[in-house]
Amino acid sequence: GDSVTQMEGPVTLSEEAFLTINCTYTATGYPSLFWYVQYPGEGLQLLLKATKADDKGSNKGFEATYRKETTSFHLEKGSVQVSDSAVYFCALVGDGQNFVFGPGTRLSVLP
Amino acid sequence: NAGVTQTPKFQVLKTGQSMTLQCAQDMNHEYMSWYRQDPGMGLRLIHYSVGAGITDQGEVPNGYNVSRSTTEDFPLRLLSAAPSQTSVYFCASSYQQTSGNTIYFGEGSWLTVV
Repeated sequence: GDSVTQMEGPVTLSEEAFLTINCTYTATGYPSLFWYVQYPGEGLQLLLKATKADDKGSNKGFEATYRKETTSFHLEKGSVQVSDSAVYFCALVGDGQNFVFGPGTRLSVLP
Repeated sequence: NAGVTQTPKFQVLKTGQSMTLQCAQDMNHEYMSWYRQDPGMGLRLIHYSVGAGITDQGEVPNGYNVSRSTTEDFPLRLLSAAPSQTSVYFCASSYQQTSGNTIYFGEGSWLTVV
């Protein structure tokens, strides 16, 4: 079945550092790929998405590119802030299928 | 906009008790689902529904029942609570169960079974 693998962390960075959270997937067909973010005590919120190969999703300074050749969708941000501290989930969905989530990566940004 | 609303937010149950987690969405979404979130395991799908009157099992359905009598509501029932069901539960919905559609989450229900 479909699956998502991501680095589990925790990832600890200083403010203004560069962030990369790796995500790779296994899926049949051509899934859509997502990054969701979960702040403490809250539900998951959509951060960005890409629906076809080579698409780049971007939002709030975060970006990720759908790489079909490497089955990857790595999340990046050039300069993190303390307010970016959260858990980040990579996910995929194919037609007629349910969402499949990775285990989540906890990010802590120190001032 | 209310979006996806879950109640209660916190609940403590004794082993063997039953309860229902409520979920309602006001976006006229066809697809609704329930997940549980456990440390290191991400979100696991319990049950889902692609429309009123239609439900199906997800990855971890045992011990849970669902029904979908209306488009708006998708309650999750714990029949006889067990400590293994201590978890955070999320209800989610999307327009349709098709690739590319964003899924929207409720704020979660923290359940402890003692």
